[in-house]
Amino acid sequence: GQNIDQPTEMTATEGAIVQINCTYQTSGFNGLFWYQQHAGEAPTFLSYNVLDGLEEKGRFSSFLSRSKGYSYLLLKELQMKDSASYLCAVMDSNYQLIWGAGTKLIIKP
Amino acid sequence: GAVVSQHPSWVICKSGTSVKIECRSLDFQATTMFWYRQFPKQSLMLMATSNEGSKATYEQGVEKDKFLINHASLTLSTLTVTSAHPEDSSFYICSARDLSGREYNEQFFGPGTRLTVL
Repeated sequence: GQNIDQPTEMTATEGAIVQINCTYQTSGFNGLFWYQQHAGEAPTFLSYNVLDGLEEKGRFSSFLSRSKGYSYLLLKELQMKDSASYLCAVMDSNYQLIWGAGTKLIIKP
Repeated sequence: GAVVSQHPSWVICKSGTSVKIECRSLDFQATTMFWYRQFPKQSLMLMATSNEGSKATYEQGVEKDKFLINHASLTLSTLTVTSAHPEDSSFYICSARDLSGREYNEQFFGPGTRLTVL
């Protein structure tokens, strides 16, 4: 079956760095997405990786290793507004998004 | 960027009534739209894939007669929850895929509709 695993919850301090991991097993692979979702709101796109390596976009970076079925989202210089759930999603061979359960990130002052 | 709207943002209805939710792509044509449901503290669950001009493809366990989907144009898809019951109370989110001129198959999400059935 298809499976996406990510930690349920993480806590970090304002100004620090946090890494949210995601491992996946899917039928085919057409890219991995990271989305941010604030409570009561729809997800918003953060990043897309389809080739191995690190993609940097401002304070956020995303890494992919296809051979290991592994990705991480790195958030630097954390701000209180970064408190949200972070969803990892993999696009399978049918171009269907398979979603992880999300990681709730709590930022403390 | 691509914008997707949803209407209404929230709705409260009595058990047994039907509720229609609209999803519109405002600045692009979406041949494919997706309907998701999300219960509190859970991930998104795909309900169905809606293709313009054809019948929707429902995921296993989703009743197609209860959740009616119509994708009549390239910019509008509707989800009708028929004879809603309290267990249908959830956050319903649509997304649309814009393949034109984009390097990857990003889905753009609507703001969601919170349905509460009394």
